[in-house]
Amino acid sequence: EAGVAQSPRYKIIEKRQSVAFWCNPISGHATLYWYQQILGQGPKLLIQFQNNGVVDDSQLPKDRFSAERLKGVDSTLKIQPAKLEDSAVYLCASSPRTSGENEQFFGPGTRLTVL
Amino acid sequence: SQKIEQNSEALNIQEGKTATLTCNYTNYSPAYLQWYRQDPGRGPVFLLLIRENEKEKRKERLKVTFDTTLKQSLFHITASQPADSATYLCALVGGSNYQLIWGAGTKLIIKP
Repeated sequence: EAGVAQSPRYKIIEKRQSVAFWCNPISGHATLYWYQQILGQGPKLLIQFQNNGVVDDSQLPKDRFSAERLKGVDSTLKIQPAKLEDSAVYLCASSPRTSGENEQFFGPGTRLTVL
Repeated sequence: SQKIEQNSEALNIQEGKTATLTCNYTNYSPAYLQWYRQDPGRGPVFLLLIRENEKEKRKERLKVTFDTTLKQSLFHITASQPADSATYLCALVGGSNYQLIWGAGTKLIIKP
């Protein structure tokens, strides 16, 4: 079974530029998550999708971050314009359904550096 | 607000010994708690889930306990090996949509 795919693995941009990350979850997984992980911290949930609908985006800085999951499969996360404090690893995860008993399967992450 | 605390300092353990990691939480009553392992440059990998009505869960050399009175979970690795060196994260399941609320993780170093 193929795991969660993410690209790119690394990205370096200047502040005020825009950037996009792509995620392809495990086939058949209805729930998709985007997390931000700053060095030395645990992952912070940015947005949660159930199929192609948003379940929770309460911690997404909507003035600069946007995400979509068209057709309920792969997803993109965009930052426009980027700030220095956006430097972090962006993790995508998926699970079969939204349930407290479901483990989440993570991709390798995209390491973003904003200069 | 909800708070999850894990040992911020790295834990150094001699190979073969038991490593014990702590996860404490406040202002919360989770029905489930999960433990993950994260290696450098990789995403977290699920290890174990324990429910609020379970006192203990085991998987091979791993054991998790969950004390809802103390608001604490302990994660044990017995017969530790250098390959067990990683950061271990605890996560509480909460919210109406079963989101995971994560601790900062504890870095475990197993010395040969």
